[in-house]
Amino acid sequence: DAKTTQPPSMDCAEGRAANLPCNHSTISGNEYVYWYRQIHSQGPQYIIHGLKNNETNEMASLIITEDRKSSTLILPHATLRDTAVYYCIVRVGGGTSYGKLTFGQGTILTVHP
Amino acid sequence: GAVVSQHPSRVICKSGTSVKIECRSLDFQATTMFWYRQFPKKSLMLMATSNEGSKATYEQGVEKDKFLINHASLTLSTLTVTSAHPEDSSFYICSARHAPSEQYFGPGTRLTVL
Repeated sequence: DAKTTQPPSMDCAEGRAANLPCNHSTISGNEYVYWYRQIHSQGPQYIIHGLKNNETNEMASLIITEDRKSSTLILPHATLRDTAVYYCIVRVGGGTSYGKLTFGQGTILTVHP
Repeated sequence: GAVVSQHPSRVICKSGTSVKIECRSLDFQATTMFWYRQFPKKSLMLMATSNEGSKATYEQGVEKDKFLINHASLTLSTLTVTSAHPEDSSFYICSARHAPSEQYFGPGTRLTVL
């Protein structure tokens, strides 16, 4: 699976949009971009995933660049409960490594009042 | 959404004993479950892939005789840490694959070996 690069930490004011970047310049055509987050001492929580089109759900939006070498997770109105480690993961949609998620160091997002 | 539970949430044991951790998918069937380990302030590391009815596939460097995995049903996988030692103290997290492309995680089990 392609390696991802994320900033180690980011801050965001409560109520503002949080934009978390992720670089995945070696992504292959059959690899998806996944975002998970982990609140302290809990299991990771699925947020969103996409292949090449932008995606939106009740939690967040995922913007993938046209060349697919980077993406941005957008939390439109961050709250204090969004403080967590956010992981950007790239993995194939099928094949022998199907399902395996390789976690990097992620971005520690701190939302402050 | 799909729910995955783990039991126990926290366990303390003496060195040399074995500890079993259960992972259950509560509202869906999971042919594949995964076990991760997370040390303090570190990221999750995949230990093994558990497939219902077959032997688990272990990641490089993970001792299969020390970390026994059983996936006897479509809703239950167990991880047994045998002859636990203090260096096995960690946060163990399971996940279950739901539908073609989604994976849901359990809340984790914190193991402390004295």
